[in-house]
Amino acid sequence: GENVEQHPSTLSVQEGDSAVIKCTYSDSASNYFPWYKQELGKRPQLIIDIRSNVGEKKDQRIAVTLNKTAKHFSLHITETQPEDSAVYFCAASPPRDYKLSFGAGTTVTVRA
Amino acid sequence: DAGITQSPRHKVTETGTPVTLRCHQTENHRYMYWYRQDPGHGLRLIHYSYGVKDTDKGEVSDGYSVSRSKTEDFLLTLESATSSQTSVYFCASGLAGGQETQYFGPGTRLLVL
Repeated sequence: GENVEQHPSTLSVQEGDSAVIKCTYSDSASNYFPWYKQELGKRPQLIIDIRSNVGEKKDQRIAVTLNKTAKHFSLHITETQPEDSAVYFCAASPPRDYKLSFGAGTTVTVRA
Repeated sequence: DAGITQSPRHKVTETGTPVTLRCHQTENHRYMYWYRQDPGHGLRLIHYSYGVKDTDKGEVSDGYSVSRSKTEDFLLTLESATSSQTSVYFCASGLAGGQETQYFGPGTRLLVL
């Protein structure tokens, strides 16, 4: 089955700086790549997703890039703010699969 | 929050006792999932359902069973709770399996003494 690795496991950034989280996947057939954000004590929630027919997608201060050849995708957060402090999970899924395979998560801390 | 709830939200139990957690969704989602979340391990899939009475195992299914008799309800049972099953349990639901958004419930914090 699909295996997703996520790095780094923790990330500390100064407010206003950028944060980048990288994930690699094993199944070249995977075509859906969502990112979830989990604030402390809360449930995970989707923040952005990308499909394999697109190389980049942006939504305000967050963007995701996908490199199918290298089988990796990344989350970019620009102009970080305190409310960006959370755990971020990447995930991947091949077509016709009923489930997502999640990375182990990245704890992002934004320092004031 | 996509109308997905979990009960109970907190539970303390003793080793060897059975425990049932309930997930209820009002979105008519076909797919439902149970995950456990432990430090350093992220979200690990326990079991999932792709329709009423249709379930399958995830990566950490040993010691757990599930049932889905109605679209809206997905039950997770710990047949004989062990301390290693102390965790936060999240259920999730979605329309299109692994190809669309999964909506998570608020979580159940379980402590097995």
